Amino acid sequence: SQQGEEDPQALSIQEGENATMNCSYKTSINNLQWYRQNSGRGLVHLILIRSNEREKHSGRLRVTLDTSKKSSSLLITASRAADTASYFCATDRGGRRALTFGSGTRLQVQP
Amino acid sequence: SAVISQKPSRDICQRGTSLTIQCQVDSQVTMMFWYRQQPGQSLTLIATANQGSEATYESGFVIDKFPISRPNLTFSTLTVSNMSPEDSSIYLCSVGVTAGSYEQYFGPGTRLTVT
Repeated sequence: SQQGEEDPQALSIQEGENATMNCSYKTSINNLQWYRQNSGRGLVHLILIRSNEREKHSGRLRVTLDTSKKSSSLLITASRAADTASYFCATDRGGRRALTFGSGTRLQVQP
Repeated sequence: SAVISQKPSRDICQRGTSLTIQCQVDSQVTMMFWYRQQPGQSLTLIATANQGSEATYESGFVIDKFPISRPNLTFSTLTVSNMSPEDSSIYLCSVGVTAGSYEQYFGPGTRLTVT
């Protein structure tokens, strides 16, 4: 079963604006990851945040993690049309390397 | 990192037939997984492909329907057996490359349509 829920399900913004996506999960985790998927193809790993970290940056990406609320957010700053994709959060399964994915957010960046 | 290829990239199959999907990695990896992504949905783990032993299936997935082979550390196959339209999905393989890291690399996926 899906562990994570993401909101919003869909997000449409203009180029240059910031995009924020949220993810909630149900069980204890070792880490949380975010992936991007373009047009139903393979997923690309974006960033991983460990359970003992609260915030992490990578380029235009900022991820936060609140383990007390079992939630995470992904912020994409200064968005570009090329950021148009679906974004998924994923958590480990009690230390197993296999992942449980959230429901995903479809981001549309209008040029 | 790892480069992963899948064959076929897409196929249209008749109900009741079977399709075998191949996943090839450019380096030896310990962890290999198969996921299913139904139309408009997220990814669901089917099984962990274990080299030299039987795959480990998740709840709701059985070996008779989704037999998996893992003959070596660079290759795996997933067969979708006795297909029905409900099996229409994207099937993705992924690998864990770095020991101690949870980051996974995904193949491009196989888009299966069952008519």
